[in-house]
Amino acid sequence: EIVLTQSPATLSLSPGERATLSCGASQSVSSSYLAWYQQKPGLAPRLLIYDASSRATGIPDRFSGSGSGTDFTLTISRLEPEDFAVYYCQQYGSSLTFGGGTKVEIK
Amino acid sequence: QVQLVQSGAEVKKPGASVKVSCKASGYTFTSYGISWVRQAPGQGLEWMGWISAYNGNTNYAQKLQGRVTMTTDTSTSTAYMELRSLRSDDTAVYYCARDRLEWSSFQTNFDYWGQGTLVTVSS
Repeated sequence: EIVLTQSPATLSLSPGERATLSCGASQSVSSSYLAWYQQKPGLAPRLLIYDASSRATGIPDRFSGSGSGTDFTLTISRLEPEDFAVYYCQQYGSSLTFGGGTKVEIK
Repeated sequence: QVQLVQSGAEVKKPGASVKVSCKASGYTFTSYGISWVRQAPGQGLEWMGWISAYNGNTNYAQKLQGRVTMTTDTSTSTAYMELRSLRSDDTAVYYCARDRLEWSSFQTNFDYWGQGTLVTVSS
């Protein structure tokens, strides 16, 4: 099973700042089959990025994904108030697993 | 518009079973698979398994093999997840989620999610 490790666990930033979230895999993720989700309290996750760098329908272009192999990154170019949430990565190249999440909180 | 509407919260005793439903609308049900994902209180997401709504093929997470069964009823566009021999660490919000692509295998990502069903296991 591929284990995904997200860092940092918590990111404290101000609106307008840039957020960089990391997702490391214990083995190479084939075909860059990696997705990112955003989850707000009491709500279901929302798909942001799939195939490492493709934005899902309706996702603003301040969200971008990059990476391959074992190292992936989600970047939020300028944080909006509604972006403060928990973010999860998910790999679907070998079975299916989620990372432990990164909380982006207001500084 | 695509919607997945799940059944209501459940309270069960240890050793009992629970069956959660997920009614789909707004798309051709049999063209997409459904996964079930759970989230224990304050914890991350855990994939439980997947079912093809086309032919009923399933793929379950290894740790739940033997305790979980996923089924669909194409006449009502509803997916079901049954979990047996419940333990306290099965207490979680259970989500159904639709494959982003038609005719996918279980190895995919999810574009629509149900609202979640809280299952509490307590004596």
